[in-house]
Amino acid sequence: DQQVKQNSPSLSVQEGRISILNCDYTNSMFDYFLWYKKYPAEGPTFLISISSIKDKNEDGRFTVFLNKSAKHLSLHIVPSQPGDSAVYFCAAYNQGGKLIFGQGTELSVKP
Amino acid sequence: DTGVSQDPRHKITKRGQNVTFRCDPISEHNRLYWYRQTLGQGPEFLTYFQNEAQLEKSRLLSDRFSAERPKGSFSTLEIQRTEQGDSAMYLCASSPWDRGSSYEQYFGPGTRLTVT
Repeated sequence: DQQVKQNSPSLSVQEGRISILNCDYTNSMFDYFLWYKKYPAEGPTFLISISSIKDKNEDGRFTVFLNKSAKHLSLHIVPSQPGDSAVYFCAAYNQGGKLIFGQGTELSVKP
Repeated sequence: DTGVSQDPRHKITKRGQNVTFRCDPISEHNRLYWYRQTLGQGPEFLTYFQNEAQLEKSRLLSDRFSAERPKGSFSTLEIQRTEQGDSAMYLCASSPWDRGSSYEQYFGPGTRLTVT
């Protein structure tokens, strides 16, 4: 039972354009969501998060949007840079302590 | 900056052998988590500790897996009688945990296990 889903395994974007990564979840009890970025042979790096009481959180080039009624969140990266090329995971915080991760979306930003 | 560290970074073992991995969390973090990641998937929760207490274990964690955090600092994850299906990246993460703290977990570089 995949409670957090990232349906796009890959995304290719031109440098300077917007990257939009999507994530859907099924459990309405999730109350906190996070995005992580992962380079090969490294552990995931925390990027940005959002509480379920908010619908938007912004940090520099990164903005996360949460639509609770649709059980959907998205990460916007503007402008995209080649260094943003990595695998991006969304994760939901499950009451009790653990994170439930999606399958990941591999972002490729082309110069 | 002392982040989460894991040792070893790579481990190749033969099927049936036992392996042990170590994780050193960020020093002021009282929660420590173990995850496993296989190719094309996101990290999958295995277990977590608050200080030395193991609070939750995944149902996916077979009896061959055991984790400890004896003094509430570093943790070890042992896999007994390894199987080829245990081949994966084993990730450790830590977080501070008190009322009002954020939920971010900070990951180490992982230990890649290959069972031949």
